[in-house]
Amino acid sequence: DAGITQSPRHKVTETGTPVTLRCHQTENHRYMYWYRQDPGHGLRLIHYSYGVKDTDKGEVSDGYSVSRSKTEDFLLTLESATSSQTSVYFCAISEGRGGNTEAFFGQGTRLTVV
Amino acid sequence: AQSVAQPEDQVNVAEGNPLTVKCTYSVSGNPYLFWYVQYPNRGLQFLLKYITGDNLVKGSYGFEAEFNKSQTSFHLKKPSALVSDSALYFCAVRDIGGNTPLVFGKGTRLSVIA
Repeated sequence: DAGITQSPRHKVTETGTPVTLRCHQTENHRYMYWYRQDPGHGLRLIHYSYGVKDTDKGEVSDGYSVSRSKTEDFLLTLESATSSQTSVYFCAISEGRGGNTEAFFGQGTRLTVV
Repeated sequence: AQSVAQPEDQVNVAEGNPLTVKCTYSVSGNPYLFWYVQYPNRGLQFLLKYITGDNLVKGSYGFEAEFNKSQTSFHLKKPSALVSDSALYFCAVRDIGGNTPLVFGKGTRLSVIA
């Protein structure tokens, strides 16, 4: 498995509270991604990063923010969690050179907002 | 915009029979195409990719996929299914013109019955 660690692996939080998920990689890959997985929707991109302090929005970015202050860490923050953000969140990394490189995924974080 | 369609939510096949999981794509230019597999409570694992060259691509665990440009398809195949192949399969695409994130289909659940 690629060196990707997501933390926490499981979290239950209350509506309205802020939540931060962490993705840590040891591969020194340039690109990092946050996806969410929901039944019937597959994987949808939330945000991604193409370098330290360089990020961009994905398909479902509303209600989420990200930060990348170091190559190895990519944080996803839910500013004020809502029940619609209950999901499984996956971090992925890729070298990104030429676009023909595959992405490698972490084990996922299951977030429940009650 | 890039998109992927996996027309079957569920595919059932008997052990030992050939299996096919369908994928069609839409990109503005030429595609890079990928297949991933997800076992329960795990992240996505890369199976194979089409970049260029031979339209038949071989990957992990005996899987292969055939790129058909005229039909904009990239179906996943295996000559003889195993019960252990039962999992969720995702097709993904990236436009060859850019280093954009992968766009995933909604997934197809494969059940191999003994």
